[in-house]
Amino acid sequence: GAGVSQSPSNKVTEKGKDVELRCDPISGHTALYWYRQSLGQGLEFLIYFQGNSAPDKSGLPSDRFSAERTGGSVSTLTIQRTQQEDSAVYLCASRGISYEQYFGPGTRLTVT
Amino acid sequence: AQSVTQPDIHITVSEGASLELRCNYSYGATPYLFWYVQSPGQGLQLLLKYFSGDTLVQGIKGFEAEFKRSQSSFNLRKPSVHWSDAAEYFCAVDRTGGGNKLTFGTGTQLKVEL
Repeated sequence: GAGVSQSPSNKVTEKGKDVELRCDPISGHTALYWYRQSLGQGLEFLIYFQGNSAPDKSGLPSDRFSAERTGGSVSTLTIQRTQQEDSAVYLCASRGISYEQYFGPGTRLTVT
Repeated sequence: AQSVTQPDIHITVSEGASLELRCNYSYGATPYLFWYVQSPGQGLQLLLKYFSGDTLVQGIKGFEAEFKRSQSSFNLRKPSVHWSDAAEYFCAVDRTGGGNKLTFGTGTQLKVEL
């Protein structure tokens, strides 16, 4: 079946602009996660959704970052007033009834 | 601090040689353990997982891993490496065992010499 998909695959934006990153999880997966991968920080957890609620948003680095999930499916990660340090690959993962997380291909964000 | 350690940043092996990638964790209880592989420009692909039971687990692509509680380790092994195994390998831990967030090691970059 289809895996986790993310869009766009690449995004270049100017400092100070807002960006939205989208994640489509595997159909039927109730849990959804956002991670960030950067050279300096490695792979970092951002936020976790169970259904439409976010029981763990402890990894969001600042209040410029927010995420939502609607209909227990698609999720959007929004970064407001982007900064150069936001440049990274943003990875989305989903999980079904087991404990394995399946990752999408990521969105590479470059802030100029 | 609680963490996941992959002590080898880079490893180079010859094709056909055996491979062992090390992973140690510092959580008190036995977490859920995973190995992922990432090829350039790609997302993370799950190689194998350990939740409980048999401490030697088999994964995809001929990989296996052994959980050793006494050493807090979960090392990844492959008896004979193929050139296509060149990639970055990440050990990850779900320390709550409840399907919550993963904490990743810093990764090991594997180079395969022909």
